[in-house]
Amino acid sequence: DAGITQSPRHKVTETGTPVTLRCHQTENHRYMYWYRQDPGHGLRLIHYSYGVKDTDKGEVSDGYSVSRSKTEDFLLTLESATSSQTSVYFCATSDGYEQYFGPGTRLTVT
Amino acid sequence: GIQVEQSPPDLILQEGANSTLRCNFSDSVNNLQWFHQNPWGQLINLFYIPSGTKQNGRLSATTVATERYSLLYISSSQTTDSGVYFCAVTGANNLFFGTGTRLTVIP
Repeated sequence: DAGITQSPRHKVTETGTPVTLRCHQTENHRYMYWYRQDPGHGLRLIHYSYGVKDTDKGEVSDGYSVSRSKTEDFLLTLESATSSQTSVYFCATSDGYEQYFGPGTRLTVT
Repeated sequence: GIQVEQSPPDLILQEGANSTLRCNFSDSVNNLQWFHQNPWGQLINLFYIPSGTKQNGRLSATTVATERYSLLYISSSQTTDSGVYFCAVTGANNLFFGTGTRLTVIP
């Protein structure tokens, strides 16, 4: 395992509120990713980072922003949560080859 | 993005049976990984296999990159093998997932 933790693990929030999910790694991997998993869609990439302060959009980035101020931390922010953002969110890290996943965060937007 | 198709979508096996899961992808890829998502939602790395064949215990995988497919073999299946198996391929920096094969092993 790549020593990846996510917080919180579960969250229920109301529509319109801001939400920040945190991913923390201890492996000093350069690359970090945020995915969402929804029934029938597998996992889809939201944003990724290829270094401190270097980020780029993935397949489903609308409504999300990210920040990476330290190698070990990658934050995902929902500026104004919507019900369509109810999902399970996974963080992943990579050394440039294999990707390793965190335990996931279940987010419910009511 | 790269299209990844997995088959079959669902598979039910008697304990002890063997199975083959298939992953087809639409373009040249740099990397290919197989994952097992257990019933608790955890994604477990099975193989990193951009080409060739690898084996790990009862599991083995083969990727034929020139023909754009990969196979995951599970032999002598156990109930703990139940879950969803995902194939994922990397184009540039993105990892594209298939929709998975849901495996149920019954005792």
